[in-house]
Amino acid sequence: DQQVKQNSPSLSVQEGRISILNCDYTNSMFDYFLWYKKYPAEGPTFLISISSIKDKNEDGRFTVFLNKSAKHLSLHIVPSQPGDSAVYFCAASEVFRAAGNKLTFGGGTRVLVKP
Amino acid sequence: SQTIHQWPATLVQPVGSPLSLECTVEGTSNPNLYWYRQAAGRGLQLLFYSVGIGQISSEVPQNLSASRPQDRQFILSSKKLLLSDSGFYLCAWGTQGLAGSNEQFFGPGTRLTVL
Repeated sequence: DQQVKQNSPSLSVQEGRISILNCDYTNSMFDYFLWYKKYPAEGPTFLISISSIKDKNEDGRFTVFLNKSAKHLSLHIVPSQPGDSAVYFCAASEVFRAAGNKLTFGGGTRVLVKP
Repeated sequence: SQTIHQWPATLVQPVGSPLSLECTVEGTSNPNLYWYRQAAGRGLQLLFYSVGIGQISSEVPQNLSASRPQDRQFILSSKKLLLSDSGFYLCAWGTQGLAGSNEQFFGPGTRLTVL
């Protein structure tokens, strides 16, 4: 039972355009959401997060949107750069409620930014 | 600043041999520690987490075990490796009690191939 799903396994976008990555979740108890970027043979790096009390968080070229009623979040990257080519994972957690502050990850979306 | 180390970076082991992967964290005290596995083309699966020395929680039944002999040391072990243990193993740390946030930070990973 996948509680966090990234339904698009891959995405191709032209340099300079917007990349939109989507993530859906089923557990209504999730209240904190994160996006990670991963290059091959490296550990994921934290990109941006959002608490369920917000619907938008922005950090430079990265913006995360949260729609709690739809149990959906998205990551926008504007403008996309060739260095953004990587696998992106969304993750969700129940802050304070779940022991150990565990994260549940989606399956990832591979992004390719074409020059 | 905090850093997380994992070794070895790559490992090739025969079926039935033992395993010991080590993870250490610097620059923080009393972190939550996590072991994840990423199978080829898949997402991140949480294997174990620890909220303190000697405290280990297992997320999935498996051939592996974990130990936390020191505050900032986390070890992943197996007595006899199986082919299905092949994968990319990631250690991560997170803070406890940080109100409203729940980020985890990952090490560089260990690529394990069981032949």
